[in-house]
Amino acid sequence: SQQGEEDPQALSIQEGENATMNCSYKTSINNLQWYRQNSGRGLVHLILIRSNEREKHSGRLRVTLDTSKKSSSLLITASRAADTASYFCATLNRGSTLGRLYFGRGTQLTVWP
Amino acid sequence: DVKVTQSSRYLVKRTGEKVFLECVQDMDHENMFWYRQDPGLGLRLIYFSYDVKMKEKGDIPEGYSVSREKKERFSLILESASTNQTSMYLCASSSPREQYFGPGTRLTVT
Repeated sequence: SQQGEEDPQALSIQEGENATMNCSYKTSINNLQWYRQNSGRGLVHLILIRSNEREKHSGRLRVTLDTSKKSSSLLITASRAADTASYFCATLNRGSTLGRLYFGRGTQLTVWP
Repeated sequence: DVKVTQSSRYLVKRTGEKVFLECVQDMDHENMFWYRQDPGLGLRLIYFSYDVKMKEKGDIPEGYSVSREKKERFSLILESASTNQTSMYLCASSSPREQYFGPGTRLTVT
């Protein structure tokens, strides 16, 4: 069963604009991760934020986590056409063993040149 | 560099055939996973394995089985392929920090 739910399902923006994607989840977590998937390919890990962290940066990526609202957001600044992909959040639930992640359905981001 | 490979990128099989999807990782990870991905449904976990010969059912194990005889190799088996198993199949292995995915196998069952 899915844990995270991304919002919006699809996002279309111009190059240079910022893209914000949101993720909500239902149970207590150890960490939340964001992955990217180019069309027809496997997923690639982007960033991980632990449950005791509120914000994390990596290059043009900024992730926030609000455990009281059980939500996270991924911000891509100054987007490029090459950022066009699907983005998934995934949670490692508290008490989970074996490294099982629960993925959302993803946000399809299209960045127009 | 970390690597997860899958035996085929594209596969076409007939209904009723037994299908083997192979996944190999070179990172000495203990945990490996098989997902299927369908439009609008995201990634759904079929099976995972936490050690050689050890396996756990995921959310949609029906119609599938798995084999893990060696640590680096995790196989997904469709015992009798059906058209509703047409999908993208993704294998992953995990470190404590993240999962590493293979490129995927797009399986079509006709």
